[in-house]
Amino acid sequence: QVQLVESGGGVVQPGRSLRLSCSASGFTFSTYGMHWVRQAPGKGLEWVAVISFDGSNIYYADSVKGRFTISRDNSKNTLYLQMNSLRAEDTAVYYCAKKTPGTQYAPPDYWGQGTLVTVSS
Amino acid sequence: DIQMTQSPSSLSASVGDRVTITCRASQGISNYLAWFQQKPGKAPKSLIYAASSLQSGVPSKFSGSGSGTDFTLTISSLQPEDFATYYCQQYDSFPFTFGPGTKVDIK
Repeated sequence: QVQLVESGGGVVQPGRSLRLSCSASGFTFSTYGMHWVRQAPGKGLEWVAVISFDGSNIYYADSVKGRFTISRDNSKNTLYLQMNSLRAEDTAVYYCAKKTPGTQYAPPDYWGQGTLVTVSS
Repeated sequence: DIQMTQSPSSLSASVGDRVTITCRASQGISNYLAWFQQKPGKAPKSLIYAASSLQSGVPSKFSGSGSGTDFTLTISSLQPEDFATYYCQQYDSFPFTFGPGTKVDIK
């Protein structure tokens, strides 16, 4: 069965960096695009970024463009989110999600349990 | 960016009720619309993609319809496990955007 396990969250000061990881199993990771989606406390869902199966195509939300970098290591079945210049408004639970089979930029079908990032001094 | 709105923002319903949630896009998105369910403290669960296609394992009491700018999610007979918040998401163009959510609670 598909399993996605995020890690790397924690408390970080504004302006600092953090890298999230998402370990995937139960499917052929190297053949699926992957998403990051976040949810601020008490708020709705916000799409963050998507990466194609081979890493050749990447798109970001405007709110994180230039500060966050999505990447993947298909040899390790792992998705990453490098977050730089963190702001208080980046405080959220971050979910990784597998892309639905089919069209190139389909929405998520399976989600991880999420990892909490808190940006605070 | 494409803006997504949902109505109502919340609703109260009874077990067995038929429930309909509406999602509207600020511009046409063909059928590039997905629906998600989220319970408190849990990760979202994917329900529907391509406006009307059920994700694997999702019961047939959930159905979706619509195209262009107006979409609906229907739960045919509400069960206790269906009380949750429901989100729509467009994936016609980047950045993908979610609606603000509709909270379904018990009357």
